[in-house]
Amino acid sequence: QVQLVQSGAEVKKPGASVKISCTATGYTFTTFPIHWVRQTPGQRLEWMGWINAANGNTKYSRKFQGRVTITRDTSATTAYMELSSLTSEDTAVYYCARGGITDWGQGTLVTVSS
Amino acid sequence: DVVMTQSPLSLPVTLGQPASMSCRSSQSLVFSDGNTYLNWFQQRPGQSPRRLIYKVSNRDSGVPDRFSGSGSGTNFTLKISRVEAEDVGVYYCMQGTNWPPEVTFGGGTKVEIK
Repeated sequence: QVQLVQSGAEVKKPGASVKISCTATGYTFTTFPIHWVRQTPGQRLEWMGWINAANGNTKYSRKFQGRVTITRDTSATTAYMELSSLTSEDTAVYYCARGGITDWGQGTLVTVSS
Repeated sequence: DVVMTQSPLSLPVTLGQPASMSCRSSQSLVFSDGNTYLNWFQQRPGQSPRRLIYKVSNRDSGVPDRFSGSGSGTNFTLKISRVEAEDVGVYYCMQGTNWPPEVTFGGGTKVEIK
């Protein structure tokens, strides 16, 4: 069955960057895009961006443009999301999701604290 | 940007009784191809979100038929015909019509048992 397995929780200092991985199994990786969505402590869901797993094309939310980079490694069937210039406002659970945002990873908690 | 507004914020329901929640968009979600890209997600406590409904009224595989979606244009509704204990959680609507560049989620409706 389709599984998206994300890397573990991270604690970062303000100003740092974080890179989260999302390894996909159970389907042909290049046939579906991967989205990244984060959930704030207040439970709000925010779409961050998307990568076409076949050709690597990306689109980013205007809110995160310039701070977020989504990449993928097809040989490892893994997508990555890197967020830079972290502040406390970036403390959230980050999710990857497949295709039409059907299947979701288990989430990665990122805590930004000095 | 499209703003998605959900109501009510909290929905206390009695087991076995129906429940209904609303999602309104700040602009029409009818795409140029004639489709309306409005999805509903369920997030049970401690779990990742799960898509229930896509394109307004289509249930995803494995979703019980007590869940139904309806609506058009800017007004949408998710109904649960008879609430069960496993339905407790937060329900989010999401628009994908105005993507790219943006996918937008509503703020969520929390379903709890009275």
